[in-house]
Amino acid sequence: GENVEQHPSTLSVQEGDSAVIKCTYSDSASNYFPWYKQELGKRPQLIIDIRSNVGEKKDQRIAVTLNKTAKHFSLHITETQPEDSAVYFCAAGGTDKLIFGTGTRLQVFP
Amino acid sequence: DVKVTQSSRYLVKRTGEKVFLECVQDMDHENMFWYRQDPGLGLRLIYFSYDVKMKEKGDIPEGYSVSREKKERFSLILESASTNQTSMYLCASSSSGGTYGYTFGSGTRLTVV
Repeated sequence: GENVEQHPSTLSVQEGDSAVIKCTYSDSASNYFPWYKQELGKRPQLIIDIRSNVGEKKDQRIAVTLNKTAKHFSLHITETQPEDSAVYFCAAGGTDKLIFGTGTRLQVFP
Repeated sequence: DVKVTQSSRYLVKRTGEKVFLECVQDMDHENMFWYRQDPGLGLRLIYFSYDVKMKEKGDIPEGYSVSREKKERFSLILESASTNQTSMYLCASSSSGGTYGYTFGSGTRLTVV
């Protein structure tokens, strides 16, 4: 069945460093790749997304890259801050339904 | 401005009880979803619906059913709750017509004892 793998499961960085989270997907029909951030005790919130006709998208300190040939996409956070600490989920979707990765717990230490 | 509302934040039920989890959205979204979230397993799709009275099984539908009698409301039903259904349940909705980001509810943490 459709599957999304996400790595690493935990990531610890020093404030100011960069963080990278990687995902691979199995369904070649997927054409939409969102990323969600879930702070402790809160709902997942969409932070950035990319569609299959685009290779890279940036929004201030966060960026996402997509390699459709290899079926993988990545989230890049630069100049990390303590408030970036959260669980991040990648997802891949085709016609409306999203399949989620297992999540990455990012901890940013001051 | 809460847009997806789940009726209960915390719920404790006994084994064998019938449990209803309610979700209401006010964005006129066609699509609604129920996921469960467990540590290390991410978000797993239980059921989803593209329209009123329509339902589709997700990846883990066993032990669950759903109801969508009105566009804005999507209910998850545990016919006979079991301890392995203790989890965080998240409802989400989205517009149809080509993959848009979900809006999630705040979640219901269900404990079955």
